[in-house]
Amino acid sequence: GQNIDQPTEMTATEGAIVQINCTYQTSGFNGLFWYQQHAGEAPTFLSYNVLDGLEEKGRFSSFLSRSKGYSYLLLKELQMKDSASYLCAVRVPSANQAGTALIFGKGTTLSVSS
Amino acid sequence: DAGITQSPRYKITETGRQVTLMCHQTWSHSYMFWYRQDLGHGLRLIYYSAAADITDKGEVPDGYVVSRSKTENFPLTLESATRSQTSVYFCASSETGGGDGYTFGSGTRLTVV
Repeated sequence: GQNIDQPTEMTATEGAIVQINCTYQTSGFNGLFWYQQHAGEAPTFLSYNVLDGLEEKGRFSSFLSRSKGYSYLLLKELQMKDSASYLCAVRVPSANQAGTALIFGKGTTLSVSS
Repeated sequence: DAGITQSPRYKITETGRQVTLMCHQTWSHSYMFWYRQDLGHGLRLIYYSAAADITDKGEVPDGYVVSRSKTENFPLTLESATRSQTSVYFCASSETGGGDGYTFGSGTRLTVV
């Protein structure tokens, strides 16, 4: 089975730093993704980790430890517009020729206040 | 228009009716996916496809049928709609199925009454 866990909700203030954790237990692993989703909108791609370590992209960073089945998304210098859901997803292989697919956690709703 | 488009954006249907949700992408991406999103469950994979005529079941395929006769289209059919299929449905595509990420359509909000 596939199990991807992340906190349901988090709150933070403008200008702060927040870390959103994700743990996973999946049948196979081909990479971990983070997506951002604003209310009523489609998810948008934030980051991708396939090797252990930290990937930095502007105010956002993502970390992966494959041996621990663990990732986090770090958001710095928080802004009000960062209020959204953050989705952790693991790429898992298909049993047949259909390639791979992303399995998502339930998402973490982040509320940023002034 | 370039991109990935879903139609309709909103749909209300009755229990027992067949309904088809359309997904079209203009990039010629090989990989396409259907997800449903519900409160408390997040995004759940219904079906996916690596190329025309190659599909596989995801986490929640029961009650759904897909086809992919052309690379750019990936319709999702609910054979006999039930109230439990009330949800927001997202289609996505990817060139490699890997680190390029998936690009999602705007979604279809389906209500089964």
